[in-house]
Amino acid sequence: GQNIDQPTEMTATEGAIVQINCTYQTSGFNGLFWYQQHAGEAPTFLSYNVLDGLEEKGRFSSFLSRSKGYSYLLLKELQMKDSASYLCAVRSSGGSYIPTFGRGTSLIVHP
Amino acid sequence: NAGVTQTPKFRILKIGQSMTLQCTQDMNHNYMYWYRQDPGMGLKLIYYSVGAGITDKGEVPNGYNVSRSTTEDFPLRLELAAPSQTSVYFCASGTGGSTDTQYFGPGTRLTVL
Repeated sequence: GQNIDQPTEMTATEGAIVQINCTYQTSGFNGLFWYQQHAGEAPTFLSYNVLDGLEEKGRFSSFLSRSKGYSYLLLKELQMKDSASYLCAVRSSGGSYIPTFGRGTSLIVHP
Repeated sequence: NAGVTQTPKFRILKIGQSMTLQCTQDMNHNYMYWYRQDPGMGLKLIYYSVGAGITDKGEVPNGYNVSRSTTEDFPLRLELAAPSQTSVYFCASGTGGSTDTQYFGPGTRLTVL
């Protein structure tokens, strides 16, 4: 099975930088996804990492270290609209290749 | 493209009633999924399908059934509703490739009383 751990809640100030961590334990790692979910809405895809390193996409970046079972999502120049839940999902090579989701981190951005 | 659509948006059921949650996608994706999301618990996979005529159980399949007669449609059936099935249900679709991302529908909020 898989074990995925994320902080339950984080708060930050508009304009600041925030890092949301995700640690995982799995056999046969085959990719890590980050999704954003605003309250009452569906999750939407943010990023995908399968190799070690940093993937940058505008204000959002995602980092992966496979040896440490660790990823983070970095949000820069925070805006109020970034208040949402951020879901980490890990895929393993065994079985169905379908990602398993963590419980999500609720980010609250204050003015 | 409408993407992934789900009906109904909201539903209240009595214990023991049955219903079907509808899901349709117009992206010609082979893979489709049903998840439930409870507060603070993340997304749990109920059933998935890798193509028309093929379905398989996910992590929490008990109390649910699915069918996949066409590429576009993937309905989820609740036969005997129980309070434990009160949740938000999301349908998703994807290409199923190595970098597959999932496209989610807007969700169905179900309450069983």
